[in-house]
Amino acid sequence: AQKITQTQPGMFVQEKEAVTLDCTYDTSDPSYGLFWYKQPSSGEMIFLIYQGSYDQQNATEGRYSLNFQKARKSANLVISASQLGDSAMYFCAMREGGNTGTASKLTFGTGTRLQVTL
Amino acid sequence: EAGVAQSPRYKIIEKRQSVAFWCNPISGHATLYWYQQILGQGPKLLIQFQNNGVVDDSQLPKDRFSAERLKGVDSTLKIQPAKLEDSAVYLCASSPPTGMKTQYFGPGTRLLVL
Repeated sequence: AQKITQTQPGMFVQEKEAVTLDCTYDTSDPSYGLFWYKQPSSGEMIFLIYQGSYDQQNATEGRYSLNFQKARKSANLVISASQLGDSAMYFCAMREGGNTGTASKLTFGTGTRLQVTL
Repeated sequence: EAGVAQSPRYKIIEKRQSVAFWCNPISGHATLYWYQQILGQGPKLLIQFQNNGVVDDSQLPKDRFSAERLKGVDSTLKIQPAKLEDSAVYLCASSPPTGMKTQYFGPGTRLLVL
């Protein structure tokens, strides 16, 4: 079974509008972390935002916020006030296990390509 | 603070040749990861080091891929012999020993096997 599912291969959004990128996950581990990364055409994976499974509040980082719905196992990324520079691939990823001990690997989804238009 | 460094950025080789990639993680990051990203897919872990010990290499094709991190800092990933299906971006990442242990990625090496 897919551990991370991103059902939107591509999304378009107009500049200055908000956009939501979907991510659902599957794990039986009670401790896990969810991450979003941006990958521009240059190829580098840029960390955007993190949500821990025990965090009570939704994570926010500037224009990025994570809509965490634990019961639904979803962790959607919301980008507010889109900019042309936001055009890129966006990956949702999960790390199973808590923050103690050796960090385990990230499992990535297949990504969503976001195109911001004028 | 310097980020994760990788070299080369691009490499073109013929099948059956060998190739090596180098990674220098962020200073103080004990954990180092090598991921393979095939076009149109998300990255997949090949190997994870904690200092100079291997934590997870379950998805490393050991008949042709090898990796080492001798002094617990720099790491090299080698492919010998390369196959067409090895064409991908090879990403190195590192994470700190404490906190949420976010993985920070380097720019990657784009490998094309002809």
